[in-house]
Amino acid sequence: DTGVSQNPRHKITKRGQNVTFRCDPISEHNRLYWYRQTLGQGPEFLTYFQNEAQLEKSRLLSDRFSAERPKGSFSTLEIQRTEQGDSAMYLCASSPTTGRTGELFFGEGSRLTVL
Amino acid sequence: AQRVTQPEKLLSVFKGAPVELKCNYSYSGSPELFWYVQYSRQRLQLLLRHISRESIKGFTADLNKGETSFHLKKPFAQEEDSAMYYCALSPPGANSKLTFGKGITLSVRP
Repeated sequence: DTGVSQNPRHKITKRGQNVTFRCDPISEHNRLYWYRQTLGQGPEFLTYFQNEAQLEKSRLLSDRFSAERPKGSFSTLEIQRTEQGDSAMYLCASSPTTGRTGELFFGEGSRLTVL
Repeated sequence: AQRVTQPEKLLSVFKGAPVELKCNYSYSGSPELFWYVQYSRQRLQLLLRHISRESIKGFTADLNKGETSFHLKKPFAQEEDSAMYYCALSPPGANSKLTFGKGITLSVRP
């Protein structure tokens, strides 16, 4: 499968612990996005990378959240001192610079449960 | 602020019936609009874009700027259309940063 890959698929953690999610985009895609989806809601934009540069961050991304894409390939999303409100599906998506506008290729998501 | 509203959570129809999934948006300007679909146990994927005026799997969506709507329609629903559908918008040229609605579940019964 050459699609967007996310790991781990499921993570259960206790409140206060740190968690990290990884996203491997489609290899030729230089744009990478993180979204969060809670129950009954659509995906909400968190942050966006063009190659290794983080170009935009949502106000949803508190200072406990940090995302990196060090070499312009895979990306990590770390949540420090998790809270129960962080429980959600974290979706990664990628797209090429010259692709069809609005066409994001999503991964299967990483589901976080904070106890 | 930009917003996408999908007023219904669930639409259940019989096979062969027409389908209309409603989407209204709020944006000061001319956004780009999309429908995304997620079939059971599959990833979220793009269904169609307003800018292409395309018909995909028999679905079409017309942008009505006066009513700020982008409803998704299909004249004859099929069982395989059963899925979760999300309407989304992006400011023009905004690097595909999408704002999604809450989604609607379409159930097509045999």
